[in-house]
Amino acid sequence: KQEVTQIPAALSVPEGENLVLNCSFTDSAIYNLQWFRQDPGKGLTSLLLIQSSQREQTSGRLNASLDKSSGRSTLYIAASQPGDSATYLCAVRPKTTDSWGKLQFGAGTQVVVTP
Amino acid sequence: EAGVAQSPRYKIIEKRQSVAFWCNPISGHATLYWYQQILGQGPKLLIQFQNNGVVDDSQLPKDRFSAERLKGVDSTLKIQPAKLEDSAVYLCASRIPGLAGVFGANVLTFGAGSRLTVL
Repeated sequence: KQEVTQIPAALSVPEGENLVLNCSFTDSAIYNLQWFRQDPGKGLTSLLLIQSSQREQTSGRLNASLDKSSGRSTLYIAASQPGDSATYLCAVRPKTTDSWGKLQFGAGTQVVVTP
Repeated sequence: EAGVAQSPRYKIIEKRQSVAFWCNPISGHATLYWYQQILGQGPKLLIQFQNNGVVDDSQLPKDRFSAERLKGVDSTLKIQPAKLEDSAVYLCASRIPGLAGVFGANVLTFGAGSRLTVL
């Protein structure tokens, strides 16, 4: 069974520092991996989606890497801002399902960026 | 475009009572999902609809949970009778199919969720 782990569960950084968030998964048979952001009282917003054949994806200050063989993904957020404070979740789409929505999520990393 | 609408935002009930949640997806999104997110965990898929048909309900506790999507647009999720362990945020998401690898394709759009507390 696919297990997705995010460590640490929470971290706090001063504004301007780069953020590094980690995600590990136990089964490399995946179609893709996504990073989501969740703000309190709100739903999830998809940040980046990396197909299994890709090594990384970039969007603005965000860069996500994928090492499928080692079961790891890292989300980098450059020059963090207080507005980056949120919970970040990673999710994999296992090859055991054809459903785009049957994702296996990690529990998330709660990030606080202090001014 | 308008987002995914959910109501009510908050609901507090006693155990063994019933509750219903409503979701209105983005116009034109044929695929609709309901997730359960327990505090401190990631969301878990409960049921997936394609238009008004159920595609996957393998993780839906069918003895107490039911869902429908009449006319392939709005959807309701019902819990009857509720248990303490049903306390969670119920998220609805929708998706319009696209070509894999195309930017923005197949991205799920989530609603703000309905927070249920069972006492």
